[in-house]
Amino acid sequence: AQSVAQPEDQVNVAEGNPLTVKCTYSVSGNPYLFWYVQYPNRGLQFLLKYITGDNLVKGSYGFEAEFNKSQTSFHLKKPSALVSDSALYFCAVRDGRGSTLGRLYFGRGTQLTVWP
Amino acid sequence: NAGVTQTPKFQVLKTGQSMTLQCAQDMNHEYMSWYRQDPGMGLRLIHYSVGAGITDQGEVPNGYNVSRSTTEDFPLRLLSAAPSQTSVYFCASSLRNRAPDTQYFGPGTRLTVL
Repeated sequence: AQSVAQPEDQVNVAEGNPLTVKCTYSVSGNPYLFWYVQYPNRGLQFLLKYITGDNLVKGSYGFEAEFNKSQTSFHLKKPSALVSDSALYFCAVRDGRGSTLGRLYFGRGTQLTVWP
Repeated sequence: NAGVTQTPKFQVLKTGQSMTLQCAQDMNHEYMSWYRQDPGMGLRLIHYSVGAGITDQGEVPNGYNVSRSTTEDFPLRLLSAAPSQTSVYFCASSLRNRAPDTQYFGPGTRLTVL
């Protein structure tokens, strides 16, 4: 079965410091992985995705994610955090099988707070 | 190109009332889905559709009905609202093919059932 785990409910980091939001996954077949961000009272916005190829994926707003197949992880990173990065972040894995092709399985989300 | 639109943005219902949450997309996406978001629970899939005339249940389908008569529209119906259905509801759409396309989300509907 497909599943995603985000082990941290909250991550706090000072502005200018690097940030990491963790995600591990379990899939049958090839892992197609996504990160979404949700700002208060808004819908989810796509940040980046991993399909194949380079393990380091670059996305919007200076975010990147590192795919590690042996550790089944897809951690979100940013070298220098901004206060405006404070939001709720979701990791998701896409179902690539048969009739459920396209379905996304989401983690519970990690609230990122960047302190000035 | 409006993307994914949802109406209404806010709704208050009394227990037992029925209503329909509207979702539309103008990107010709085959795949559409409804999620509910509750604190600490992430997003849970209610129903989804892989094309016009085809729908299927997700993780939490009880109390909700859907239909997909056109590619563009995917309404979610609450037949008899219950307080447990108080939540924020998101509609999403994507292409459905072997290449993992991005899912695009609507702005959400905040529903309160009294």
